[in-house]
Amino acid sequence: AQKITQTQPGMFVQEKEAVTLDCTYDTSDQSYGLFWYKQPSSGEMIFLIYQGSYDEQNATEGRYSLNFQKARKSANLVISASQLGDSAMYFCAMREGDTGRRALTFGSGTRLQVQP
Amino acid sequence: EAGVAQSPRYKIIEKRQSVAFWCNPISGHATLYWYQQILGQGPKLLIQFQNNGVVDDSQLPKDRFSAERLKGVDSTLKIQPAKLEDSAVYLCASSFGGVRTEAFFGQGTRLTVV
Repeated sequence: AQKITQTQPGMFVQEKEAVTLDCTYDTSDQSYGLFWYKQPSSGEMIFLIYQGSYDEQNATEGRYSLNFQKARKSANLVISASQLGDSAMYFCAMREGDTGRRALTFGSGTRLQVQP
Repeated sequence: EAGVAQSPRYKIIEKRQSVAFWCNPISGHATLYWYQQILGQGPKLLIQFQNNGVVDDSQLPKDRFSAERLKGVDSTLKIQPAKLEDSAVYLCASSFGGVRTEAFFGQGTRLTVV
């Protein structure tokens, strides 16, 4: 079974608008962490935001926020005020367990294109 | 702070040849990962090191892939012999290893097997 599911292969958004990228996950662990990464066409993976399973508040980092719905096992990324430079692949990832020893498992990604 | 360094950036080889990739993680990071990213897919873990010991190599095709991390710092990933389906970007990443800590990625090595 897929541990991380990203159902949107591609998304379009107008510049300055907000966009939500979907991510659902599957785990039987009570303790886990969820990460979002951005991968521009240049190829490097850039960390954006983190949400812990026990965090009571949704994570925010600048224009990025995470809509964490634990009961639904979803961790959607919200980008506010989209910019042309936000055009990239976006990956949701999960680390299971509470020791930090597990590797990140990635979804298949969503390609976001910001239109002027 | 220097990031994760990888070399080479690009490599083209013929099938059945061998190839090696090198990674230098961020100083002080105990955990090092090698991921394979096939075009259009998310990264898939090949192997994870904690210092110079292997934590997880369950998805490493051990008949052709090998990796080592000498002295708990630099790492090399080798493919011998290469197959067409090994064409991918090979990403190295490192982290402190804590629960909340992200992994920092290098720019990757794009391998084309012809």
